[in-house]
Amino acid sequence: GAVVSQHPSRVICKSGTSVKIECRSLDFQATTMFWYRQFPKQSLMLMATSNEGSKATYEQGVEKDKFLINHASLTLSTLTVTSAHPEDSSFYICSARDRSRGGYNEQFFGPGTRLTVL
Amino acid sequence: AQKITQTQPGMFVQEKEAVTLDCTYDTSDPSYGLFWYKQPSSGEMIFLIYQGSYDQQNATEGRYSLNFQKARKSANLVISASQLGDSAMYFCAMREGGRSTLTFGKGTMLLVSP
Repeated sequence: GAVVSQHPSRVICKSGTSVKIECRSLDFQATTMFWYRQFPKQSLMLMATSNEGSKATYEQGVEKDKFLINHASLTLSTLTVTSAHPEDSSFYICSARDRSRGGYNEQFFGPGTRLTVL
Repeated sequence: AQKITQTQPGMFVQEKEAVTLDCTYDTSDPSYGLFWYKQPSSGEMIFLIYQGSYDQQNATEGRYSLNFQKARKSANLVISASQLGDSAMYFCAMREGGRSTLTFGKGTMLLVSP
C-alpha cells in the first residue's frame, strides 16, 4: 500500500522554540495532506488541510500563525509549531491523499510525531 | 451534536472470542463513507474496513466485519476470533459527501486477555 513517513518520530524542545515536522508520501503523489493532533487518550482532531501549491485550510480554533503549514511539493508537507509551549505537547499525525487510487481508501496515515515541550 | 459517537470507552474480550465495537453517526448527507481504524500503542493509524452509504452489503475484511444498519445510523465493528495483538484503540470515522476530511469518534480501547 501507499507509504507515508513522518520525521522526526519524537522531539523534545524548550518552551519558546520552533519545531518543524515533515510528512512525506514515499511512493505516490499527494495533492492533499492532512494534519491531526491527538492528546493522550483522546481522538484525532483535524488541524488543517494542506493543498500542494496553495494555502492550507485551517479548522476553527487552530491558530494559523502558530501552526505554519507548507506543502511545497507533491510529496512533502511540513508543519512548524512556532514558539512552542508545554500545552502544544501532543501527538501530531499527518495523512496523505492518493488521488490516483480512486475508490474510498485514499487517505494514508503517517506514523506520527510525539512533541514534548519543556 | 457529535457526528461520530463511540459509547464504549473500553472493552474486554477473551482470546478467540468475538467482540463488537459500537459506532453511531449523524449526517444529513445521503452520500458518506464510514471507516474503522486501529491504533496500537505505537500510534500508527491502521485502516481496517470501509462501508459506503450506498453499499448494499455489509463490508468484510478477514476477521473484521461491519454491521451496517443505515436506518439506525450505526456501523458497528465486529472482530471475530480475537487475538492478543488486537489490543489497541479503535476509531470509527466518517467522510461526508464530497468532502475529503475525516471526522473521528473518541475511540474504544480494546483489551484482549489470554
